[in-house]
Amino acid sequence: DIQMTQSPASLSASLEEIVTITCKASQGIDDYLSWYQQKPGKSPQLLIYDATSLADGVPSRFSGSRSGTQYSLKISRPQVDDSGIYYCLQTYSTPWTFGGGTKLELK
Amino acid sequence: EVQLVESGGGLVEPGRSLKLSCVASGFIFSNYGMNWIRQAPGKGLEWVAYMSSSSSYIYYAETVKGRFTISRDNAKNTLHLQMTSLRSEDTALYYCARHDYSGEDYYFDYWGQGVMVTVSS
Repeated sequence: DIQMTQSPASLSASLEEIVTITCKASQGIDDYLSWYQQKPGKSPQLLIYDATSLADGVPSRFSGSRSGTQYSLKISRPQVDDSGIYYCLQTYSTPWTFGGGTKLELK
Repeated sequence: EVQLVESGGGLVEPGRSLKLSCVASGFIFSNYGMNWIRQAPGKGLEWVAYMSSSSSYIYYAETVKGRFTISRDNAKNTLHLQMTSLRSEDTALYYCARHDYSGEDYYFDYWGQGVMVTVSS
């Protein structure tokens, strides 16, 4: 199984910062990587697919990138509404696996 | 508007069975693969099962293989998850999610609101 190691587990950021969340795959996944945001009591929502493509309706302050087997989600100048838990997902091979999640708090 | 509405959850004793349903609307259901994903209380997301649009391809997580069965009725726009031999560790919020393909990647683009399954005596 492909392991997705997500970090950090939690972070607190100000509205002026650039927030970066990373997921390292245990092997190559050929950009079969998507990112999801989950707000308290809500279902996850797709943010990024193909590692770098923005999903419909997602603000441009969200972006995705890759370096080797490490994938990153960046939020530039986050808004208070961006608080929540973020997950990566690899769909390169079954079982499809999520990262452990990153809880983001905006201060 | 794409909508996915799960139902069928509840409290069930260990070893018993339960069947979840997910009714889809707002898109051509028979054109899309579908997934079940679960989230134990206070925990992260775990993919559970997938069925392709025509039911030709089915995949399961090892944790449920042999106990859970995914199925679909394209005429009724409905996805099912038959769960048998339930264990306490199956306690979770179960989501159905649409499976999409960009040409380069698979991803889950729409999710239901989830249905709670609690396995306890």
